[in-house]
Amino acid sequence: QSALTQPASVSGSPGQSITISCTGAYSDIGDSMYVSWFQQHPGKAPKLLIYEIGLRPSGVPDRFSGSKSGATASLTISGLRAEDEADYYCSSYTSRATLIFGPGTRVTV
Amino acid sequence: EVQLLESGGGWEQPGGSLRLSCTASGFSFRDYGMTWVRQAPGRGLEWVATISGTGGRYYADSVRGRFSISRDNSKDTLFLQLNSLRIEDTGIYYCVKDRLTLSTCEYWGQGTLVTVSS
Repeated sequence: QSALTQPASVSGSPGQSITISCTGAYSDIGDSMYVSWFQQHPGKAPKLLIYEIGLRPSGVPDRFSGSKSGATASLTISGLRAEDEADYYCSSYTSRATLIFGPGTRVTV
Repeated sequence: EVQLLESGGGWEQPGGSLRLSCTASGFSFRDYGMTWVRQAPGRGLEWVATISGTGGRYYADSVRGRFSISRDNSKDTLFLQLNSLRIEDTGIYYCVKDRLTLSTCEYWGQGTLVTVSS
């Protein structure tokens, strides 16, 4: 059982904005700058979208943004597009020197 | 371009062993931590183990004492030795390059499938 919680599913129409939450504890998200978000299309490997809470790797559109408040991290997708339909996972470094992933959120456009 | 190519997956009986390999290219392998992440069929991502560039090892509770992560910096290759396999170890095993050790899973391989079944 994951120590991070995410909504099972989120949906939106093209052009809309959606936000996916990822709630943990002080021992992980609450005390870590190493919070990441990943996108995974069916049958494909995950792809890094956001790292260190709100930074985007080269090539990731600025429609994707990340933030954190307390022990909850959030991923916002603005200007939703059909190709954004995928599973999204959060992850965090923990005080036990481990990594944990959220259970994933299915985004439907 | 960073490339990670996993191999060694396959079918094994409960209690058996497998050794996964990951050949890396496109970056200075010895300077980066490397991680294995797995995904059971139809399920989410699960961190398995991480090794730093200098050999420090970190394991998930679910695999500690059964799996062993190692690396050969002279061959740009990462390994995962899977012993005492259980049915719940079934899944795709991804090789991942860390941005900083245990911080960010930056680049992912395409994965290798491990099936544990009697």
